[in-house]
Amino acid sequence: DIVMTQSPDSLAVSLGERATINCKSSQSVLYSSNNKNYLAWYQQKPGQPPKLLIYWASTRESGVPDRFSGSGSGTDFTLTISSLQAEDVALYYCQQYYSTPVTFGQGTRLEIK
Amino acid sequence: QLQLQESGPGLVKPSETLSLTCTVSGGSISSSNYYWGWIRQPPGKGLEWIGSIYYTGTTYSNPSLKSRVTISVDTSRNQFSLKLNSVTAADTAVYYCARPGITGTSPYFDYWGQGTLVTVSS
Repeated sequence: DIVMTQSPDSLAVSLGERATINCKSSQSVLYSSNNKNYLAWYQQKPGQPPKLLIYWASTRESGVPDRFSGSGSGTDFTLTISSLQAEDVALYYCQQYYSTPVTFGQGTRLEIK
Repeated sequence: QLQLQESGPGLVKPSETLSLTCTVSGGSISSSNYYWGWIRQPPGKGLEWIGSIYYTGTTYSNPSLKSRVTISVDTSRNQFSLKLNSVTAADTAVYYCARPGITGTSPYFDYWGQGTLVTVSS
């Protein structure tokens, strides 16, 4: 199984500031035949299911604010929130879908400083 | 708008079988080339993919659970189901059903049910 490791486990950022969450996979999730990274990001608020934010490492899901962006390739990825809003307080998970079983990171808790 | 809804008992005794059903509305299970999935989340913990099923009945399961998992589909009712046998307290979790965003056996998921908490306790 591909192990996904996120850092940090928790993060406190001031409103309007940039938040950065990292995700590292135990092996590359870049598929060479199509040059796509099989990496997604989700946001989860208390009592709610995960919400898809980003797929293919950097493609924003429809309706997701453009302050959310994804970057990285191979084994190292980043989710960036350019200007933190109060409604962004949540848990964030990365997920690889390069191979079965699909696996998730342990989650990063984002709070307001 | 596609919607998924989990249903089933919220309390299961140890060693018994957990049974859940996911009802899909706003779209047909059999009209798309998706492997519909089950994912779980123990209280306060992360997400674990359990398994997925194609409308023809082809399934893939997480090797960590494979021997205990049965996933089935009923296209006439637009539902798919999960059975997990020989449950223990470690199987206590919120169980989600979800639709993939892409075809194939290893997808990301773009539509999720609200989830249902299943507690394993005597």
